[in-house]
Amino acid sequence: DQQVKQNSPSLSVQEGRISILNCDYTNSMFDYFLWYKKYPAEGPTFLISISSIKDKNEDGRFTVFLNKSAKHLSLHIVPSQPGDSAVYFCAASDGGSTLGRLYFGRGTQLTVWP
Amino acid sequence: EAGVAQSPRYKIIEKRQSVAFWCNPISGHATLYWYQQILGQGPKLLIQFQNNGVVDDSQLPKDRFSAERLKGVDSTLKIQPAKLEDSAVYLCASSLGSPRPEETQYFGPGTRLLVL
Repeated sequence: DQQVKQNSPSLSVQEGRISILNCDYTNSMFDYFLWYKKYPAEGPTFLISISSIKDKNEDGRFTVFLNKSAKHLSLHIVPSQPGDSAVYFCAASDGGSTLGRLYFGRGTQLTVWP
Repeated sequence: EAGVAQSPRYKIIEKRQSVAFWCNPISGHATLYWYQQILGQGPKLLIQFQNNGVVDDSQLPKDRFSAERLKGVDSTLKIQPAKLEDSAVYLCASSLGSPRPEETQYFGPGTRLLVL
């Protein structure tokens, strides 16, 4: 049973425009959320995270928004660059009860074209 | 700083054979994780260690999978016997402190296993 869902398997965006990647979750106990980026033949790398006590976290071109009532989070990349082309995984944790176990979505392949 | 090392990078075996994967985490990292990523899915945690102790192995299929982290440094994951559905990428990750979601996990490149 997928507790973290990324319903868009792919997204294509022109360079310089905004990329918006979406993620939904079903477990109301999740209180910490992360985004990982993965290039081919490499392991995922941490990108940005947000705690459930916040609704927004920003790091340079990357901003994550959390809507707890909708159980939805999104990653905004502005402006998008060709080097951002990768698979983006959303992950969530309920921290206390599972010692930080991360539940990952299936990923969204982002392609940024010139 | 060297990253998480994994070997082999690729492995092809026949069903019912045995296979082992090796992981060397980032130096000084206390927590080590093994994930299974089946094609088209996200990584799924199999087991996590803090130093040489198992913290969470609730999602490890213990009838065929085993893992150890002797001396609290490198780790091996074994499958015996392998099934077709074990075909996946096996990712190892490590983090500096105790198992908490706020601790950034650093992933290795993974071992791609194909079971024929």
